[in-house]
Amino acid sequence: GQSLEQPSEVTAVEGAIVQINCTYQTSGFYGLSWYQQHDGGAPTFLSYNALDGLEETGRFSSFLSRSDSYGYLLLQELQMKDSASYFCGGSGNTPLVFGKGTRLSVIA
Amino acid sequence: NAGVMQNPRHLVRRRGQEARLRCSPMKGHSHVYWYRQLPEEGLKFMVYLQKENIIDESGMPKERFSAEFPKEGPSILRIQQVVRGDSAAYFCASSPTGLNTEAFFGQGTRLTVV
Repeated sequence: GQSLEQPSEVTAVEGAIVQINCTYQTSGFYGLSWYQQHDGGAPTFLSYNALDGLEETGRFSSFLSRSDSYGYLLLQELQMKDSASYFCGGSGNTPLVFGKGTRLSVIA
Repeated sequence: NAGVMQNPRHLVRRRGQEARLRCSPMKGHSHVYWYRQLPEEGLKFMVYLQKENIIDESGMPKERFSAEFPKEGPSILRIQQVVRGDSAAYFCASSPTGLNTEAFFGQGTRLTVV
């Protein structure tokens, strides 16, 4: 099976940088993905890491370390619209399963 | 290319009735996943299907819940004899392969059992 752990809440100031960590236990691990979900909305794909290292997409970056079973999502130049829940997802021998989500609140 | 389409968006059922939730995956996607989300909680995996086959239903309750993905038509999540605890948002996602590099979600069906 798979389990993913991430902090339940994070608060950060507009314009700052925030890192959301995710540790996982999974069999036959393929990769780690990140999704964003605004209140009342659908989860939307942000990034996917299959290999160790940093993947950068605009203001968002994602990192994976397979040896540490650890990854993180880095959000730079935070904007108020980034306030949302962020889920890390693991794919492996079992289908895509998610952590419980981190609720990010961006404050002025 | 339309995204993942779920209907209805909102569904109200009385206790004991049946709920049928539909999901049409993106064009070209043959892998479908269903998730349940309670308010303020995460996405709980329910079932993974590929055309005409259930691949993994380890997250499905043993009773009252069933899912199918026929050769033609949408995937259906069926909940029989609904109870108040079934009230939740049900999301469907699809992907072109089973490797889950990127899954596309529908807008969800909000089920309310009264």
